Amino acid sequence: QSALTQPPSVSGSPGQSVTISCTGTSSEFRFYNRVSWYQQVPGTAPKLMIYEVSNRPSGVPDRFSGSKSGNTASLTISGLQAEDEADYYCNLYTTNTFWVFGGGTKLTVL
Amino acid sequence: QITLKESGPTLVKPTQTLTLTCTVSGFSLSTSGVGVGWIRQPPGKALEWLALIYWDDDERYSPSLKTRLTITKDTSRNQVVLTMTNMDPVDTATYYCVHRRGYGAYDFDYWGQGTLVTVSS
Repeated sequence: QSALTQPPSVSGSPGQSVTISCTGTSSEFRFYNRVSWYQQVPGTAPKLMIYEVSNRPSGVPDRFSGSKSGNTASLTISGLQAEDEADYYCNLYTTNTFWVFGGGTKLTVL
Repeated sequence: QITLKESGPTLVKPTQTLTLTCTVSGFSLSTSGVGVGWIRQPPGKALEWLALIYWDDDERYSPSLKTRLTITKDTSRNQVVLTMTNMDPVDTATYYCVHRRGYGAYDFDYWGQGTLVTVSS
């Protein structure tokens, strides 16, 4: 089964930028843009922040951006705000394992 | 406006079968491209995708849980039902119902509030 590895935690001060990485082993990670990112504030349901590697749904601030290089996808949050403090999960769809989530990254705004 | 709402037991005993219902509104389960699925999250742990059913009744299951899961839909009642057999304490989790963003999409744009299921004797 494809595994997605995320750092357990990242932190940054208000106004700074942080990047959360998501590394996969599946060859489909490299060749397809089926990567999405979710934000989960504790006690609430996750929220779609990025789809197809770099697209933002309506209503998501443009401070959130996504990219991919080889087998690593990244979520970058610029101009950090206190309200960005949450857990972030990457997700990859493959034809064999369907939807797989990363282990999650806790973002702390200092 | 799309909404999804999960319902089902909050407590099940080990070895029992769990049945969860997702009642949707704001879209039809028979519309081409629609997909509704289930994702769970044990307390303090990561998200885990479980199953999804498409508008045409095609089903997808997590390979690791495939033998225990069944997903069905009742279009007339706007409901998607997930059954999970042989429940174990490790299955204790919040179970979310999710809506696939659209035809050809591989992500979920609407989530239910989740329902916490505890497995304990």
